[in-house]
Amino acid sequence: EAGVTQFPSHSVIEKGQTVTLRCDPISGHDNLYWYRRVMGKEIKFLLHFVKESKQDESGMPNNRFLAERTGGTYSTLKVQPAELEDSGVYFCASSQTGFVYGYTFGSGTRLTVV
Amino acid sequence: QQQVKQSPQSLIVQKGGIPIINCAYENTAFDYFPWYQQFPGKGPALLIAIRPDVSEKKEGRFTISFNKSAKQFSLHIMDSQPGDSATYFCAASMRISGSRLTFGEGTQLTVNP
Repeated sequence: EAGVTQFPSHSVIEKGQTVTLRCDPISGHDNLYWYRRVMGKEIKFLLHFVKESKQDESGMPNNRFLAERTGGTYSTLKVQPAELEDSGVYFCASSQTGFVYGYTFGSGTRLTVV
Repeated sequence: QQQVKQSPQSLIVQKGGIPIINCAYENTAFDYFPWYQQFPGKGPALLIAIRPDVSEKKEGRFTISFNKSAKQFSLHIMDSQPGDSATYFCAASMRISGSRLTFGEGTQLTVNP
């Protein structure tokens, strides 16, 4: 079984540019989550999809962040325009249908805004 | 406001030692407390988890101790090995929030040979 795959693994962009992160969850996993770890701090929740619907987006920092999940499969997280404080590691995770406590994380995308 | 506080930030032990990582939470509605292990370049991986109706859970060399009245829980690693060197995160979740996890800041553990 393939794991959760994230692209790219690293991205360096200039302030003001746009970046799109992609996450491919484990096949059949309806739940998809985005988290972010900034500057060695705690990993913070961003949002939760159930299939193609946003179940909870209360962790999205501001309207510069836009998440989508096409057809309930892969998801993208776009940052436009990027700011210096957006630098960090963005993790995606997925889990099976229904309420399950444990889920599988991807390896993350390290975003650096300069 | 950080709802899960983790300590220490870093920890160095010798092989065979018993590192202990502590976490404290504030929200009494949390009902699931997992620990995640993360190696460099990888995502966090579920290591062990506990529900508040038990005070201890052991899986191999890893043990969670849980104190509901104190709102604290800890991870003990018995007979630690250099391969256990990683970053450890405690977390908490409540069913009503749809399994969203609230993490601690992480502990960088180094086990020297």
